[in-house]
Amino acid sequence: AQSVAQPEDQVNVAEGNPLTVKCTYSVSGNPYLFWYVQYPNRGLQFLLKYITGDNLVKGSYGFEAEFNKSQTSFHLKKPSALVSDSALYFCAVREDTDKLIFGTGTRLQVFP
Amino acid sequence: KAGVTQTPRYLIKTRGQQVTLSCSPISGHRSVSWYQQTPGQGLQFLFEYFSETQRNKGNFPGRFSGRQFSNSRSEMNVSTLELGDSALYLCASSFWAGGSGSGNTIYFGEGSWLTVV
Repeated sequence: AQSVAQPEDQVNVAEGNPLTVKCTYSVSGNPYLFWYVQYPNRGLQFLLKYITGDNLVKGSYGFEAEFNKSQTSFHLKKPSALVSDSALYFCAVREDTDKLIFGTGTRLQVFP
Repeated sequence: KAGVTQTPRYLIKTRGQQVTLSCSPISGHRSVSWYQQTPGQGLQFLFEYFSETQRNKGNFPGRFSGRQFSNSRSEMNVSTLELGDSALYLCASSFWAGGSGSGNTIYFGEGSWLTVV
């Protein structure tokens, strides 16, 4: 079975500093990986996905993610954090058709 | 283009009652899936529909059911509500063009907040 792990419950970063939200995966076959963001009392917003190709994936709102097959990781990054980036971030892997397996989520807090 | 639309956004039900939640996918999307989000269990897959057929189901009791209509709109129903069913229910849709479809982006709605008292 496919799974993803988000080892950090919370990440704190100062505004303007780079941020990284970690995700590791366990899959059989090719991984299809996604990042979503959830703001308070809202649904999930798609940020980016890795299907195949370049290991650096660029997404919405200046976010990017680095796929590393040898380390089975798919970390979310942004060069310069904004206070408005504060939210809950979920990593997910597609297990079958449109079935996503989600990580437990990481709360990002960006301080001014 | 309108996103995934879910109704109602908020509702309160009493234990033992049943509830129906509605989802309208993005125009042109034929695949609709449902997820439950709770603080304790996180995001869990409920079921998925394509062309009015359920093609995948999560590990939930039979009280949870769903269906999809010919216009791709979907409903999910929870019967005999329990306190533990209080959750955010999220609907998602994608454009499925056949094959494995693994490259599809899955878009989520704003969710329906269900409180069972």
